[in-house]
Amino acid sequence: DTEVTQTPKHLVMGMTNKKSLKCEQHMGHRAMYWYKQKAKKPPELMFVYSYEKLSINESVPSRFSPECPNSSLLNLHLHALQPEDSALYLCASSHNNEKLLFGSGTQLSVL
Amino acid sequence: DAKTTQPTSMDCAEGRAANLPCNHSTISGNEYVYWYRQIHSQGPQYIIHGLKNNETNEMASLIITEDRKSSTLILPHATLRDTAVYYCIVQSRGGSYIPTFGRGTSLIVHP
Repeated sequence: DTEVTQTPKHLVMGMTNKKSLKCEQHMGHRAMYWYKQKAKKPPELMFVYSYEKLSINESVPSRFSPECPNSSLLNLHLHALQPEDSALYLCASSHNNEKLLFGSGTQLSVL
Repeated sequence: DAKTTQPTSMDCAEGRAANLPCNHSTISGNEYVYWYRQIHSQGPQYIIHGLKNNETNEMASLIITEDRKSSTLILPHATLRDTAVYYCIVQSRGGSYIPTFGRGTSLIVHP
């Protein structure tokens, strides 16, 4: 298995909802990343996990809560989001800080 | 990590070579040059990387200048499916490395 799998592919949620995005890889990569991408903009780094520990938080609002339950799984818990949080959320993994392997993303719409 | 500068957009005729430049004048000795591309609404895809020698793989060639301050990604025979945004990233492999995407180059391959 040489892919990063993200679910769901699309998500629509209200501002009072709680939802989670899931990312999974089985390549033994010990670094995993969450990026946020608005339309016609480059991906912006949100969080980095290294060996299942949060190593980088790019000043992301607390309504986004990452979790790495094991070396293969990365979650992003969402609560009380705003319409401006609507974006493509991308997960990536890498081996020893080498090339990033991205999932296909979750397109999130906040109503 | 060093910053990169790329042209906003380029176009290329199908079947011709596409040469995409990237300036990274503040690159340091242990930083690699990585190229990714992103086709509309998909996750970025790794293309190639190099440190100081020129590199070639099945997708592209990477030419790095001797002073390492710039590089060129070459798609030798561009096809319509190569239409995408191409990102040049400079990254180290140690420590708390933050993989940061610039605005990239939007390449349009036309018939």
